[in-house]
Amino acid sequence: GAGVSQTPSNKVTEKGKYVELRCDPISGHTALYWYRQSLGQGPEFLIYFQGTGAADDSGLPNDRFFAVRPEGSVSTLKIQRTERGDSAVYLCASSLISGLAGSVSGELFFGEGSRLTVL
Amino acid sequence: AQSVAQPEDQVNVAEGNPLTVKCTYSVSGNPYLFWYVQYPNRGLQFLLKYITGDNLVKGSYGFEAEFNKSQTSFHLKKPSALVSDSALYFCAVRGGYTGFQKLVFGTGTRLLVSP
Repeated sequence: GAGVSQTPSNKVTEKGKYVELRCDPISGHTALYWYRQSLGQGPEFLIYFQGTGAADDSGLPNDRFFAVRPEGSVSTLKIQRTERGDSAVYLCASSLISGLAGSVSGELFFGEGSRLTVL
Repeated sequence: AQSVAQPEDQVNVAEGNPLTVKCTYSVSGNPYLFWYVQYPNRGLQFLLKYITGDNLVKGSYGFEAEFNKSQTSFHLKKPSALVSDSALYFCAVRGGYTGFQKLVFGTGTRLLVSP
């Protein structure tokens, strides 16, 4: 597709359940990011992939959160034992790698997000 | 670590008047600066960026921003506001010697343009 696609757009789950959120980036974009946006806040960085590997996972809040990108394209964010505080919109973005040392100097293209509600 | 501050939660302006949405940043080394806009129930949309070169950057929908290194600011401006500009605006920065690839966002400023 033309843009970043995220599924599901809405997910309601119960406390303690396991959740997977999927991101399909723009074709050819090797950089992929996950962010979390709580109500009234700016997007909060979670993890960054360059190709298949997680180059920076410093934003993952705890070990209940995990993300994979096995073939360097689609990524899945996995949340175990969900808590009410995990309720937020999870945003995925992709970008081109360019410039010296493979840096990401260009803009990020965002999907419309997956709204997670934990009851 | 890099950070941005958006000191105003909300900016109100009448249609046809100029608007400014403020942003200051903190980063070691040269910053890459961005503005994004978010409409209700929509994803973030890129408006403009400063990487290097001219301090005045022009972007989408008639918006522009001025990079000021001495004041570490990157304020968003538009000469004549439209009601349709009403949205949530985020400033973001990438840079520094660690976590370079990470784009860090401010808390956002809500712009309300009245008819």
